[in-house]
Amino acid sequence: RKEVEQDPGPFNVPEGATVAFNCTYSNSASQSFFWYRQDCRKEPKLLMSVYSSGNEDGRFTAQLNRASQYISLLIRDSKLSDSATYLCVVNPFQGNTPLVFGKGTRLSVIA
Amino acid sequence: NAGVTQTPKFRVLKTGQSMTLLCAQDMNHEYMYWYRQDPGMGLRLIHYSVGEGTTAKGEVPDGYNVSRLKKQNFLLGLESAAPSQTSVYFCASSYRGDRDTQYFGPGTRLTVL
Repeated sequence: RKEVEQDPGPFNVPEGATVAFNCTYSNSASQSFFWYRQDCRKEPKLLMSVYSSGNEDGRFTAQLNRASQYISLLIRDSKLSDSATYLCVVNPFQGNTPLVFGKGTRLSVIA
Repeated sequence: NAGVTQTPKFRVLKTGQSMTLLCAQDMNHEYMYWYRQDPGMGLRLIHYSVGEGTTAKGEVPDGYNVSRLKKQNFLLGLESAAPSQTSVYFCASSYRGDRDTQYFGPGTRLTVL
């Protein structure tokens, strides 16, 4: 089982739609989780952290389910500018071991 | 602040040639990383450094070498380029106290013919 797995998509949704992405991770000792966003031909950037209690930032909601080892990202009222690849990222918490990135889920929001 | 910069932005090499990619950051970050990104493969860690003078292997280190002689710079070397090394290379850095937030450079697009 890969460390971090995501549905690659693409997810094609109309403007205004609600879309959700899931991500699973294999290391049960992992302690911190994130979503990064990568626009086409650009570098990844941190979108938001994922807390155990769930967290919201405007139209974006991230949730963590430790028992099932998955993370989700919900985008409400999709905008054209939300079109990007969303990377699920896990900190395995093994010494200085760096973050583990998923392959990403591509989202296209269509007018 | 410029953040993380990478030089060059584009490069075409012939098989067997060598080159060095330069990453520089002006945020005084301790940690620096080199990734490659290929279609369908996502970001894969090549090498990383947790401080000046230290380096460590990542997931795909073969065919690459790195050096971190100065805290602000992290160099990635290809001694004998191969077509399999055609990729987009991203450098990133993070602060030791918040290593979960990685700041990425704009990338270097390398083609090996």
